[in-house]
This record gives sequence, C-alpha cells and structure tokens, in this order.
Amino acid sequence: GAVVSQHPSWVICKSGTSVKIECRSLDFQATTMFWYRQFPKQSLMLMATSNEGSKATYEQGVEKDKFLINHASLTLSTLTVTSAHPEDSSFYICSARTQGATEAFFGQGTRLTVV
Amino acid sequence: DAKTTQPTSMDCAEGRAANLPCNHSTISGNEYVYWYRQIHSQGPQYIIHGLKNNETNEMASLIITEDRKSSTLILPHATLRDTAVYYCIVRGTGANNLFFGTGTRLTVIP
Repeated sequence: GAVVSQHPSWVICKSGTSVKIECRSLDFQATTMFWYRQFPKQSLMLMATSNEGSKATYEQGVEKDKFLINHASLTLSTLTVTSAHPEDSSFYICSARTQGATEAFFGQGTRLTVV
Repeated sequence: DAKTTQPTSMDCAEGRAANLPCNHSTISGNEYVYWYRQIHSQGPQYIIHGLKNNETNEMASLIITEDRKSSTLILPHATLRDTAVYYCIVRGTGANNLFFGTGTRLTVIP
C-alpha cells in the first residue's frame, strides 16, 4: 500500500510554545489529507480536512486559529499546534488519499506531550 | 454518528481464524464497508474494503451479507501481531472522511 510518513513520532514541548507536525505522502500525490486526534483509550476524532492548495475545513469544536493546517503541496501537509497547553497532549494522526481513490492511508502518528 | 456496531472485544487463539462481525443495518446503496486496524500507539492500517461482493486480499477476507446489513472480517490464521483494535467503517463514494467508532479490540492468545 501507499506510504504516509509523519514527523516527529513524538514531541515534548513547554506550555505556551508551538509545535509543527509534518505529514508526507511518500509514493503518491495526496490531493486530500486528514488530521485526527486520539486521546488515550478513545477512538480517532477527525479534526480537519485539507485539499491541496485550499484552506482546511475544520470539524465543529476544533479551533482553526489554534490548529493551523497547511497543505501547500501534493505530498506535504503540516499541522501546527499554537500556544500548546497540557490539554492538547494527544496522539495526532494524519491520513492521505489521492484523487479518485477509495481508501486512505495513515501516518504512524505523533504523540504530543505538553508540560 | 457511528453507522456501525461492533463487539467491544474478542479473543482468538493463535493460528485459528479470527472472525470479526460488524452490523451496519442502515447502510445505503452507495456506501462501502471499510476495515482498518490500529496496533497500539500506531496509526490505523488499511485492511480491506468492499461494496457487496466478498473480497479477499493478502491480509484478510471480507464477507458481506446479501442484504448488506452486516459483514465479517476474517483473519484466516491469526498471529500475535494481529492483536489490535479493528474498525469497521461505512463510507459513501461522495463522502470525504472516515468516521471511526469504538472498534473491536482483538487479542490473539498464544
């Protein structure tokens, strides 16, 4: 299957700082990318959907000014958690799909810990 | 809202077939059934998907009932590495994202 890579795999940051997470499709062009968040022992919750070259569409309850998403190329999307707080600590996962494809492929996830 | 119902957990002996059921009684005609799994602390992994015919690939088989109201994912020879949470998801061709329910936690026992 197609490969989606996230970086970093884990990050620890101080409260109030910003953290950027990258999501890359390595062997296909990702026209659409999705960002999910997963708290311990819970399922994945969709945060936002981004199409290359367009502004992201955020799910209800997700602050767009806090979780900045950029999808400037067909192989890269970034999620920036601005002014992170301990409650933002979570497992962030991206997925990517190419136009016309029915399945999406997921990155390995990024565990963010805000101290 | 979740469109699927799965058992919370299941056990399976190593080497035996694991049969994971999923109910999707409100599935509509253009919606596919997808299966993903998530091994602890990793991103979900695509397994298989189908519309109405049974499907098989190198990982698993997907059996969809004739009325499409339920399906079963079959791992023919479960190994310890198949221990994971398995998600059954229905999605239409026009829909963008995948909605993850609570899934089934499969534990393969030595």
